Amino acid sequence: KNEVEQSPQNLTAQEGEFITINCSYSVGISALHWLQQHPGGGIVSLFMLSSGKKKHGRLIATINIQEKHSSLHITASHPRDSAVYICAVGGSGNTPLVFGKGTRLSVIA
Amino acid sequence: NAGVMQNPRHLVRRRGQEARLRCSPMKGHSHVYWYRQLPEEGLKFMVYLQKENIIDESGMPKERFSAEFPKEGPSILRIQQVVRGDSAAYFCASSPPRPGGRSYEQYFGPGTRLTVT
Repeated sequence: KNEVEQSPQNLTAQEGEFITINCSYSVGISALHWLQQHPGGGIVSLFMLSSGKKKHGRLIATINIQEKHSSLHITASHPRDSAVYICAVGGSGNTPLVFGKGTRLSVIA
Repeated sequence: NAGVMQNPRHLVRRRGQEARLRCSPMKGHSHVYWYRQLPEEGLKFMVYLQKENIIDESGMPKERFSAEFPKEGPSILRIQQVVRGDSAAYFCASSPPRPGGRSYEQYFGPGTRLTVT
C-alpha cells in the first residue's frame, strides 16, 4: 500500500464545475504539498500546508491532521486548469518527500 | 530572482554513455533535491544534498548513479553507463536553509528529459 493515496486517478469536468481532489496519507508528517504538473512536464508548487486551510485565487487546500487527509478544491474550473495534480508529504528535518501518483484533470470547455 | 535552472532540458544518450544533469538552485537556497519520474509513474525521491554534503541518498540506485553539490557551481546528477531503463524525467528542486528542522516549500526546476537509445 502506498504511503500517499490520491483519488480520483482521472477526472474530467465541464468548465465552471467545482472540483475536489483527495489525498490520504499513512505516515506522520510535518507538511503536505500540492503540486501541479502541466502537459509540458513542468512542476509548480501550489501549496504547502501543515494545518487548516489555504487559498490562492480559485484554489483552496485543506488538511485534517487527525484524519491524515487533505483536499484540493478548484472553483469555477477552466480548461487551463487541465494538468496532473500531485500530493506529496514530508516529515520534519531531512525526511524526503513521498509523492502520490497524481490526479489527471481534464476540464472541457 | 531566477527560478531553479536545469540543463540540458533534453538529453539523448546511447546505451553505455554517461549522462550529466545540472541543477542551479534558486538564489539563497542551499538545499537541493533530485527526483525521478519514470514514464507513466509518479515522482520518486533520489537524493538530498546541501553544499558539499549528501544528506540522504536513500533513493539513489546503488550503482552507476552519483550526485554532488560543490561549494561553487551547480548540483550534478551523474549516470554512468546508461541503460534504457534510465530514460525518465529528472527534476531538481531547491529550498532555503531550514533551521529547527521545519519543512519549507520546494521550488522545482523544469526537468531534464533523458532518453537512452
